[in-house]
Amino acid sequence: SSELTQDPAVSVALGQTVRITCQGDSLRSYYASWFQQKPGQAPVLVIYGKNIRPSGIPDRFSGSSSGNTASLTITGAQAEDEADYYCSSRDSSGNHLWVFGGGTKLTVL
Amino acid sequence: QVTLKESGPVLVKPTETLTLTCTVSGFSLSNARMGVSWIRQPPGKALEWLAHIFSNDEKSYSTSLKSRLTISKDTSKSQVVLTMTNMDPVDTATYYCARMNIVAPVEYFDLWGRGTLVTVSS
Repeated sequence: SSELTQDPAVSVALGQTVRITCQGDSLRSYYASWFQQKPGQAPVLVIYGKNIRPSGIPDRFSGSSSGNTASLTITGAQAEDEADYYCSSRDSSGNHLWVFGGGTKLTVL
Repeated sequence: QVTLKESGPVLVKPTETLTLTCTVSGFSLSNARMGVSWIRQPPGKALEWLAHIFSNDEKSYSTSLKSRLTISKDTSKSQVVLTMTNMDPVDTATYYCARMNIVAPVEYFDLWGRGTLVTVSS
Protein backbone atom coordinates (compact mmCIF):
# COMPACT_ATOMS: atom_id res chain seq x y z
CA SER A 1 0.00 0.00 0.00
CA SER A 2 0.97 3.63 -0.06
CA GLU A 3 0.58 6.66 2.10
CA LEU A 4 0.34 10.33 1.27
CA THR A 5 1.54 12.75 3.93
CA GLN A 6 0.28 16.32 4.29
CA ASP A 7 0.91 19.00 6.90
CA PRO A 8 -2.16 19.15 9.15
CA ALA A 9 -2.48 22.93 9.04
CA VAL A 10 -1.15 25.89 7.10
CA SER A 11 -1.98 29.57 7.31
CA VAL A 12 -1.58 32.42 4.84
CA ALA A 13 -2.21 36.13 4.95
CA LEU A 14 -4.93 37.43 2.68
CA GLY A 15 -3.54 38.03 -0.80
CA GLN A 16 -0.32 36.17 -0.19
CA THR A 17 0.91 32.91 -1.72
CA VAL A 18 0.74 29.55 0.01
CA ARG A 19 2.03 26.13 -0.93
CA ILE A 20 0.43 22.93 0.36
CA THR A 21 2.50 19.80 -0.06
CA CYS A 22 1.81 16.08 -0.33
CA GLN A 23 4.53 13.44 -0.02
CA GLY A 24 4.46 9.80 -0.96
CA ASP A 25 6.25 7.15 -2.95
CA SER A 26 3.32 6.77 -5.32
CA LEU A 27 3.86 10.34 -6.51
CA ARG A 28 7.05 9.24 -8.26
CA SER A 29 4.87 7.21 -10.61
CA TYR A 30 1.41 8.77 -10.60
CA TYR A 31 -0.09 12.23 -10.81
CA ALA A 32 -1.66 13.77 -7.74
CA SER A 33 -5.12 15.27 -7.70
CA TRP A 34 -6.10 18.02 -5.28
CA PHE A 35 -9.48 18.58 -3.67
CA GLN A 36 -10.92 21.48 -1.72
CA GLN A 37 -13.47 20.70 0.96
CA LYS A 38 -15.42 23.29 2.89
CA PRO A 39 -17.36 22.42 6.06
CA GLY A 40 -20.43 20.34 5.39
CA GLN A 41 -19.68 20.03 1.69
CA ALA A 42 -18.36 17.35 -0.62
CA PRO A 43 -14.81 17.64 -1.92
CA VAL A 44 -14.30 19.60 -5.12
CA LEU A 45 -11.54 18.82 -7.60
CA VAL A 46 -9.23 21.83 -8.05
CA ILE A 47 -6.13 20.39 -9.77
CA TYR A 48 -5.38 17.14 -11.61
CA GLY A 49 -2.76 15.74 -13.95
CA LYS A 50 0.36 17.74 -14.61
CA ASN A 51 -1.33 21.05 -13.67
CA ILE A 52 -4.87 21.09 -14.98
CA ARG A 53 -7.69 23.11 -13.49
CA PRO A 54 -11.28 21.97 -14.03
CA SER A 55 -13.66 24.49 -15.47
CA GLY A 56 -14.65 27.09 -12.90
CA ILE A 57 -11.54 26.78 -10.73
CA PRO A 58 -9.74 30.15 -10.44
CA ASP A 59 -6.32 30.41 -12.02
CA ARG A 60 -4.77 31.30 -8.66
CA PHE A 61 -4.73 27.53 -8.06
CA SER A 62 -1.82 25.64 -9.60
CA GLY A 63 -0.09 22.32 -9.16
CA SER A 64 3.44 21.01 -9.48
CA SER A 65 5.42 17.92 -8.68
CA SER A 66 9.01 16.91 -8.01
CA GLY A 67 10.18 13.48 -7.00
CA ASN A 68 7.92 12.15 -4.29
CA THR A 69 6.30 15.52 -3.54
CA ALA A 70 3.28 17.15 -5.14
CA SER A 71 2.36 20.74 -4.35
CA LEU A 72 -0.74 22.86 -4.59
CA THR A 73 -0.03 26.58 -4.77
CA ILE A 74 -2.57 29.32 -4.23
CA THR A 75 -1.25 32.63 -5.53
CA GLY A 76 -3.08 35.52 -3.92
CA ALA A 77 -5.14 33.59 -1.41
CA GLN A 78 -8.69 34.78 -0.86
CA ALA A 79 -10.92 34.43 2.17
CA GLU A 80 -13.05 31.90 0.33
CA ASP A 81 -10.03 29.64 -0.10
CA GLU A 82 -10.12 28.78 3.60
CA ALA A 83 -10.88 25.06 3.56
CA ASP A 84 -9.43 21.59 3.94
CA TYR A 85 -7.30 20.41 1.05
CA TYR A 86 -6.68 16.77 0.21
CA CYS A 87 -4.31 15.17 -2.24
CA SER A 88 -4.93 11.83 -3.88
CA SER A 89 -3.17 9.47 -6.24
CA ARG A 90 -3.05 5.89 -7.38
CA ASP A 91 -1.41 3.53 -4.92
CA SER A 92 2.19 2.69 -5.76
CA SER A 93 1.52 -1.05 -5.63
CA GLY A 94 0.63 -1.04 -9.32
CA ASN A 95 -2.85 -2.29 -8.55
CA HIS A 96 -6.00 -0.28 -9.06
CA LEU A 97 -6.03 1.20 -5.58
CA TRP A 98 -6.21 4.84 -4.62
CA VAL A 99 -5.11 6.77 -1.55
CA PHE A 100 -5.81 10.15 0.00
CA GLY A 101 -3.57 12.33 2.11
CA GLY A 102 -4.52 13.22 5.65
CA GLY A 103 -5.65 16.70 4.60
CA THR A 104 -4.37 20.21 5.26
CA LYS A 105 -6.49 22.81 7.00
CA LEU A 106 -5.82 26.16 5.31
CA THR A 107 -6.52 29.28 7.32
CA VAL A 108 -6.57 32.64 5.55
CA LEU A 109 -5.64 35.39 8.01
CA GLN B 1 -26.24 17.71 -16.06
CA VAL B 2 -23.88 15.15 -14.58
CA THR B 3 -24.68 14.14 -11.02
CA LEU B 4 -24.11 11.38 -8.50
CA LYS B 5 -26.41 10.80 -5.56
CA GLU B 6 -25.90 8.48 -2.63
CA SER B 7 -28.76 6.79 -0.83
CA GLY B 8 -29.07 4.31 1.98
CA PRO B 9 -29.84 3.98 5.68
CA VAL B 10 -28.99 6.77 8.07
CA LEU B 11 -28.58 4.41 11.01
CA VAL B 12 -27.35 0.83 11.17
CA LYS B 13 -26.74 -1.41 14.15
CA PRO B 14 -23.39 -3.01 14.97
CA THR B 15 -22.80 -6.29 13.10
CA GLU B 16 -25.39 -5.39 10.45
CA THR B 17 -24.64 -5.09 6.75
CA LEU B 18 -24.72 -1.65 5.14
CA THR B 19 -26.00 -1.29 1.59
CA LEU B 20 -25.49 2.02 -0.20
CA THR B 21 -26.60 2.99 -3.69
CA CYS B 22 -25.05 5.60 -5.94
CA THR B 23 -27.38 6.73 -8.70
CA VAL B 24 -25.65 8.56 -11.52
CA SER B 25 -27.04 10.74 -14.27
CA GLY B 26 -25.56 12.51 -17.26
CA PHE B 27 -23.11 9.74 -18.10
CA SER B 28 -23.14 6.00 -18.65
CA LEU B 29 -21.53 3.42 -16.40
CA SER B 30 -20.49 1.63 -19.60
CA ASN B 31 -18.29 4.56 -20.69
CA ALA B 32 -14.78 3.10 -20.93
CA ARG B 33 -13.23 6.34 -19.67
CA MET B 34 -15.17 6.34 -16.46
CA GLY B 35 -15.56 4.42 -13.26
CA VAL B 36 -17.10 5.00 -9.84
CA SER B 37 -15.48 4.81 -6.43
CA TRP B 38 -16.85 4.86 -2.91
CA ILE B 39 -14.97 7.04 -0.44
CA ARG B 40 -15.79 7.71 3.19
CA GLN B 41 -14.98 10.36 5.78
CA PRO B 42 -15.48 9.86 9.51
CA PRO B 43 -16.58 13.04 11.30
CA GLY B 44 -13.66 15.42 11.55
CA LYS B 45 -11.28 13.02 9.82
CA ALA B 46 -9.70 12.47 6.43
CA LEU B 47 -11.06 10.91 3.29
CA GLU B 48 -10.59 7.16 2.88
CA TRP B 49 -10.92 5.36 -0.46
CA LEU B 50 -12.96 2.16 -0.20
CA ALA B 51 -13.71 0.54 -3.55
CA HIS B 52 -13.89 1.14 -7.29
CA ILE B 53 -15.70 -0.37 -10.23
CA PHE B 54 -14.66 0.11 -13.84
CA SER B 55 -16.85 0.17 -16.91
CA ASN B 56 -15.79 -3.40 -17.76
CA ASP B 57 -16.97 -4.53 -14.30
CA GLU B 58 -13.43 -4.92 -12.96
CA LYS B 59 -13.44 -4.20 -9.23
CA SER B 60 -10.84 -3.11 -6.70
CA TYR B 61 -10.99 -2.78 -2.93
CA SER B 62 -9.14 -1.13 -0.08
CA THR B 63 -6.62 -3.64 1.21
CA SER B 64 -7.67 -3.08 4.82
CA LEU B 65 -11.41 -3.46 4.19
CA LYS B 66 -11.44 -5.91 1.30
CA SER B 67 -12.96 -8.76 3.30
CA ARG B 68 -16.01 -6.66 4.19
CA LEU B 69 -16.73 -4.84 0.93
CA THR B 70 -18.58 -5.71 -2.26
CA ILE B 71 -19.10 -3.27 -5.10
CA SER B 72 -21.37 -3.88 -8.06
CA LYS B 73 -23.20 -1.96 -10.74
CA ASP B 74 -26.38 -2.08 -12.75
CA THR B 75 -25.67 -0.15 -15.91
CA SER B 76 -29.30 -0.18 -17.04
CA LYS B 77 -30.33 1.50 -13.79
CA SER B 78 -27.26 3.77 -13.67
CA GLN B 79 -26.54 2.54 -10.15
CA VAL B 80 -23.45 1.46 -8.25
CA VAL B 81 -24.01 -0.46 -5.03
CA LEU B 82 -21.63 -0.88 -2.12
CA THR B 83 -22.18 -3.38 0.66
CA MET B 84 -20.12 -3.40 3.85
CA THR B 85 -20.58 -6.26 6.28
CA ASN B 86 -20.19 -6.43 10.04
CA MET B 87 -20.62 -2.71 10.66
CA ASP B 88 -18.97 -1.20 13.73
CA PRO B 89 -19.29 2.23 15.37
CA VAL B 90 -15.88 3.14 13.90
CA ASP B 91 -17.52 2.87 10.47
CA THR B 92 -19.65 5.91 11.27
CA ALA B 93 -18.87 8.30 8.43
CA THR B 94 -20.14 10.25 5.48
CA TYR B 95 -20.01 7.95 2.49
CA TYR B 96 -19.41 9.50 -0.92
CA CYS B 97 -19.51 8.10 -4.39
CA ALA B 98 -17.29 9.80 -6.93
CA ARG B 99 -16.79 9.49 -10.66
CA MET B 100 -13.31 8.70 -11.88
CA ASN B 101 -12.36 10.08 -15.24
CA ILE B 102 -9.56 8.24 -16.99
CA VAL B 103 -7.50 9.92 -19.69
CA ALA B 104 -4.38 7.79 -19.51
CA PRO B 105 -2.10 8.31 -17.76
CA VAL B 106 -4.22 10.75 -15.80
CA GLU B 107 -6.94 9.52 -13.45
CA TYR B 108 -8.99 11.85 -11.32
CA PHE B 109 -12.17 11.98 -9.29
CA ASP B 110 -13.88 14.79 -11.13
CA LEU B 111 -17.39 14.64 -9.68
CA TRP B 112 -18.66 13.72 -6.25
CA GLY B 113 -22.04 13.09 -4.75
CA ARG B 114 -23.14 15.15 -1.76
CA GLY B 115 -22.50 12.20 0.53
CA THR B 116 -24.67 10.35 2.99
CA LEU B 117 -23.99 10.19 6.72
CA VAL B 118 -24.21 6.70 8.14
CA THR B 119 -24.19 6.26 11.90
CA VAL B 120 -23.49 2.89 13.46
CA SER B 121 -25.11 2.57 16.85
CA SER B 122 -27.24 0.19 18.80
